[in-house]
Amino acid sequence: DVKVTQSSRYLVKRTGEKVFLECVQDMDHENMFWYRQDPGLGLRLIYFSYDVKMKEKGDIPEGYSVSREKKERFSLILESASTNQTSMYLCASSSDVPHYGYTFGSGTRLTVV
Amino acid sequence: AQKITQTQPGMFVQEKEAVTLDCTYDTSDQSYGLFWYKQPSSGEMIFLIYQGSYDEQNATEGRYSLNFQKARKSANLVISASQLGDSAMYFCAMRKRGGSNYKLTFGKGTLLTVNP
Repeated sequence: DVKVTQSSRYLVKRTGEKVFLECVQDMDHENMFWYRQDPGLGLRLIYFSYDVKMKEKGDIPEGYSVSREKKERFSLILESASTNQTSMYLCASSSDVPHYGYTFGSGTRLTVV
Repeated sequence: AQKITQTQPGMFVQEKEAVTLDCTYDTSDQSYGLFWYKQPSSGEMIFLIYQGSYDEQNATEGRYSLNFQKARKSANLVISASQLGDSAMYFCAMRKRGGSNYKLTFGKGTLLTVNP
C-alpha cells in the first residue's frame, strides 16, 4: 500500500526550540507539500517542492523553512518555535498527473508551550 | 489567485438520505482540477472524487457524485444514501493544471453529521 509517513503523530516543544517535522513517501512522487490545519481556517499551504532541492513558498511560509535533499523526503523546519505555530501539520505528495489526488500523511499535532 | 468557498460550516443529514455539500471556486485559469476530500475524526485525509475543468460529464465514484456547473463556478459534492461512517469533515480543493505550479488550494471545510 502506498504511503506518506510522518515521523511523529504528537509532538510537544518549548518556545524557541528548533523543530524538525519529517515526511517520507514511497510512491516516487515528484511533488511534496506541507500544510497546516487550524479549526475554521481549513488547510493552508506552507511550502511545496516539485523536485529535489527545489522549493517554493506557499501562502504562509513565515517562520518556516523546508529541505528536500532526496526525492522521497521532505522536511519542515521551525527555526524558533512559537506558540502560534501550535497546529496540525499535514504532509502530502502527488505525481504530475493532474487527476490524481494528493496522498496525505496522518498528520503531526504539534504543541508549542 | 485561486479561492475556494464552502459556505456551510456544518450540515446534518438523516441516515439513508442524500446530502449536498456546496463548493464554489474562483479562478481565471481555463485548465484546473477540482477535488473533494474527507477527513474523519482520526485526522487522515481521504481522496473522494475528481473533476477536470474540461470534463463534460459529472464525475461519480460509488455513492459520491460531483455536480459540476462550470458557468456558475460550482462543484458541489452529493452523497447518496448517507451512512453513519460518512460523518466527517469534507474539504473542496482546486488544483491548477499544467505548468510548474501544482498547488492545491483548499476551502475551510464542512462538518457533516449523519444522524441515525
